[in-house]
Amino acid sequence: DVVMTQSPLSLSVTLGQPASISCRSSQGLVHSDGNTYLNWFQQRPGQSPRRLIYKVSNRDSGVPDRFSGSGSGTDFTLKISRVEAEDVGVYYCMQGTHWPPWTFGQGTKVEIK
Amino acid sequence: EVQLVESGGGLVQPGGSLRLSCAASGFTFSTYWMHWVRQAPGKGLVWVSHINSDGSSTSYADSVKGRFTISRDNAKNTVYLQMNSLRVEDTAVYYCTRSIDCWGQGTLVTVSS
Repeated sequence: DVVMTQSPLSLSVTLGQPASISCRSSQGLVHSDGNTYLNWFQQRPGQSPRRLIYKVSNRDSGVPDRFSGSGSGTDFTLKISRVEAEDVGVYYCMQGTHWPPWTFGQGTKVEIK
Repeated sequence: EVQLVESGGGLVQPGGSLRLSCAASGFTFSTYWMHWVRQAPGKGLVWVSHINSDGSSTSYADSVKGRFTISRDNAKNTVYLQMNSLRVEDTAVYYCTRSIDCWGQGTLVTVSS
């Protein structure tokens, strides 16, 4: 199984400042079809998860452009350019290249300082 | 608007059974893979099972293999998760997801004596 490792596990950020979350996979995530199936999810307190980013860097509809994804191979990053109060929650990376199983990172909790 | 509404959760004793349902609307259900993902209280997201669009292919996490069965009824736009031989460690909110992009609100399963 592919192990997804996120860091940090907790992040305290000042409003308006940037934030960055790292996700590393135990093996490369390039699929035989040439795509890299690395997603990012946001889970606000008390809510269901919401996908923010798919295939490394593509934002889902309605996701603010302050969220961006990047990376390749085994190293991926989610960046929030300017953190807002509504960004508080837990962020998960997930790989869908080598399945089953689909595997999630442990989650990174983002709070406001 | 895409909607996924889970039902069927509740309190069950160890060794018991439950069947979860997920009613889908707002999209062409028969063309999408469907998944179940669970989240134990205060913990992260864990993929449980998937079923392809016509129901001919399924997969399971090792932790539930042989005990859980996923199925779907494309005429009713509904996916199911039959859970047998439930264990205390199966206690979680169970989310239905469309191709792991859109998520339902979840249904809580509590396994306790």
